[in-house]
Amino acid sequence: DAMVIQNPRYQVTQFGKPVTLSCSQTLNHNVMYWYQQKSSQAPKLLFHYYDKDFNNEADTPDNFQSRRPNTSFCFLDIRSPGLGDAAMYLCATSRNPTGQETQYFGPGTRLLVL
Amino acid sequence: QQQVKQSPQSLIVQKGGISIINCAYENTAFDYFPWYQQFPGKGPALLIAIRPDVSEKKEGRFTISFNKSAKQFSLHIMDSQPGDSATYFCAASPNAGNMLTFGGGTRLMVKP
Repeated sequence: DAMVIQNPRYQVTQFGKPVTLSCSQTLNHNVMYWYQQKSSQAPKLLFHYYDKDFNNEADTPDNFQSRRPNTSFCFLDIRSPGLGDAAMYLCATSRNPTGQETQYFGPGTRLLVL
Repeated sequence: QQQVKQSPQSLIVQKGGISIINCAYENTAFDYFPWYQQFPGKGPALLIAIRPDVSEKKEGRFTISFNKSAKQFSLHIMDSQPGDSATYFCAASPNAGNMLTFGGGTRLMVKP
């Protein structure tokens, strides 16, 4: 089955220790998104890649970076995690970069910062 | 103008009842309105979507009602089942560029 896979499902890191979350997709979609979702809140878009073009949301902190080495994989790097960065991180994909395309979400990685 | 306001935040319905979740928006450029369903520990998944050229769209037990003049849309779940217990997000998008704007979410619990 075509899908969006996120690893790990749970990640524990220490305050200030860099952490990388990974996402892969078998849908061959052009766009990959990273969202942050805190408890009982809506997903908040951090950035997205349209092919190799990186698009950062204006209010995404510099602490968050992303890499997309190929169509299938995308990584979220948090350079110096703070306690406020504890959240569920969702990866999603779509064929084209408009809000009118269905977005397919992965199961998420829950990040805990100690 | 980018906000989508969703209510209620939580909802408890008896099995077999009707669940109703409402959303309102301000941006008149929005013209695509999807609903996403999210189960605990899972990512959101598209449930049903509507464009403003129709006032209602039905898929099985799920219906979206759309009121363009009032800038409101709602999700109705008929014959609600315990398996429908999840968080529901409405969202909106303009017809060109830009991303989805999500509502705040509604946690639905259907009691057996």
